[in-house]
Order: sequence, then C-alpha cells, then structure tokens
Amino acid sequence: DAGITQSPRYKITETGRQVTLMCHQTWSHSYMFWYRQDLGHGLRLIYYSAAADITDKGEVPDGYVVSRSKTENFPLTLESATRSQTSVYFCASRQQPSSYEQYFGPGTRLTVT
Amino acid sequence: QKEVEQDPGPLSVPEGAIVSLNCTYSNSAFQYFMWYRQYSRKGPELLMYTYSSGNKEDGRFTAQVDKSSKYISLFIRDSQPSDSATYLCAMWADNNNDMRFGAGTRLTVKP
Repeated sequence: DAGITQSPRYKITETGRQVTLMCHQTWSHSYMFWYRQDLGHGLRLIYYSAAADITDKGEVPDGYVVSRSKTENFPLTLESATRSQTSVYFCASRQQPSSYEQYFGPGTRLTVT
Repeated sequence: QKEVEQDPGPLSVPEGAIVSLNCTYSNSAFQYFMWYRQYSRKGPELLMYTYSSGNKEDGRFTAQVDKSSKYISLFIRDSQPSDSATYLCAMWADNNNDMRFGAGTRLTVKP
C-alpha cells in the first residue's frame, strides 16, 4: 500500500530553470493538494484539484503551474524557479470534499540557487 | 494577523511531563479542528480531530476546542521521547477546500 509518493525527494536547481515535482497516489482520492512549508508560515496551499482536469488556485499560486490528466497524478511545475521558491513541498490527497482526513506525501525538499 | 496562530516553540520537556500545545484562530467559520504530527523529514500525519467545540481523548492525547474563545489545545500525558516531533494545528470550514495550518510547535521530550 504505497499511499502517496513524491519524486524527487531532494532537488537542487538554478534560478530561471523549469522544474517539475511529481505526486502519485494509489487510493483514487478525488481531491489532491500541493502545499509549501516554510519556517514561520506553516503549510500554505499552492493549488488543488477536485478531479481530473479540474484545478484551482490556493493561497500562494504565483509562479506555479499544475495539471491533472489522471486521477492518480498531480504534478507541480515551477516555470522559472526563483530563490523564494526554495521550500519543502508536500502533496496531499483527500477522498471527498466533505472529509477532514487529508493524507500527506513525504515531501520534496527543493533548493533554488 | 494570521488566520491561525501557533507558538513555534521550541518546547523541551522531560519524559513523563504533561505537554500543552495551543492555537488561536480568527475565522469563526472553522468547524473541524485537527492536530497533525510531523516527524523530522517526513510528511504530516493526522493525529486527532474534533468537530465543533468540546473535548476528545485518544490514549495519552486529549484535544480541546473552545469556539467561543477561538482557542484549541492538545494535551499529551506521560510524554515519551517518541512524541518528539512538530505538532501542527489545522482548521477547516467544510464549505471550502482550503485547510488552514498553524506554523507548528516543535516538541522535544528528553529521556
């Protein structure tokens, strides 16, 4: 039972480069989320998806792009990475909109130099 | 002012101590109140949840919600070194998809 997996777990990239963080879940949960975690800010929502081909912005969407062509995958792309996007990124999923139970992946630690 | 405020600590206690972790919030629409535990280099995992006001107990853990004061607490009795982690409070109004998190309190329980 893999649950939610994220890849890569660690990534170093240069300013201006495009980078994609992958998220895969095996539960067929409808809802998927991308958060970033920074000291002093906790977890902040970047984007979420209610189903395949349905995505919406969260609290801090600028500089990020998402897609969801399949229920199980929810990649996050930084189109032109900036140092301010250095963070730990967590993917999460929830079975249905009315469920409080949200499950998180192990995280991707991204450093932008 | 942040929607959810949580003292980041760090908090260090001896083994066996009672730990109290707290969050305050400003949005009265929140109905679900959760506590997540996050070990170093891991993703958060749901520890407890409470719907609306009241108390909930699960083993050594007790969650309390006081909606009138917009204040929630997590108590850990007989704390163990394995409880050393960051604890994040989270809140949700089920009419939207945005669960709000506190900054997290880093707890260390010393043997």
